[in-house]
Amino acid sequence: DVVLTQTPPTLSATIGQSVSISCRSSQSLLDSDGDTYLNWLLQRPGQSPQLLIYSVSNLESGVPNRFSGSGSETDFTLKISGVEAEDLGVYYCMQATHAPLTFGSGTKLEIK
Amino acid sequence: QVTLKESGPGILQPSQTLSLTCTFSGFSLSTYGMGVGWIRQPSGKGLEWLANIWWDDDKYYNPSLKNRLTISKDTSNNQAFLKITNVDTADTATYYCARIPRDWGQGVMVTVSS
Repeated sequence: DVVLTQTPPTLSATIGQSVSISCRSSQSLLDSDGDTYLNWLLQRPGQSPQLLIYSVSNLESGVPNRFSGSGSETDFTLKISGVEAEDLGVYYCMQATHAPLTFGSGTKLEIK
Repeated sequence: QVTLKESGPGILQPSQTLSLTCTFSGFSLSTYGMGVGWIRQPSGKGLEWLANIWWDDDKYYNPSLKNRLTISKDTSNNQAFLKITNVDTADTATYYCARIPRDWGQGVMVTVSS
């Protein structure tokens, strides 16, 4: 199975601060069809996960553009440019290139 | 607008079979390319993908639980189902159905306890 290693496990930020979360894969996530199926999700407290970024860098409809994704092959990053209070929660990367679909262990974002 | 809602027994005993239903709207599982998956999350822990079913009835299972899982669908009633046999306390979790990765249900809590 593909192992996704997220760092840091926890992150504490002030409002307006920019932060980054890393997701490293044990295998390349570049699919034979040319796409890279690495997505970022946010799970707010008591809620279901919500898609933020799909295929590495595509912003999901309705998601604020302070969220951005980058990376390739095995190294990926989610950046929040100017954290807001509503951004608190646990961020997960997930890959759908290789079966079985797997998730990172999560990064908990706390607001100072 | 796509919505999904899970339902289940709430609590069951070890060795029983867990039956979950996902009722959805806003899309059809008879449409090319559509699929529904099941993911679970023990309290305070991470996400684990369990199974997927596709419009053409292709089914995929997490190998770690494959022998215990059965996924199915009822296209005419916009439902998907998951059965997990021989449950134990490690199966206690919130179970989500989702049109992965975009649309998720609210989740249903399942407790396995004697």
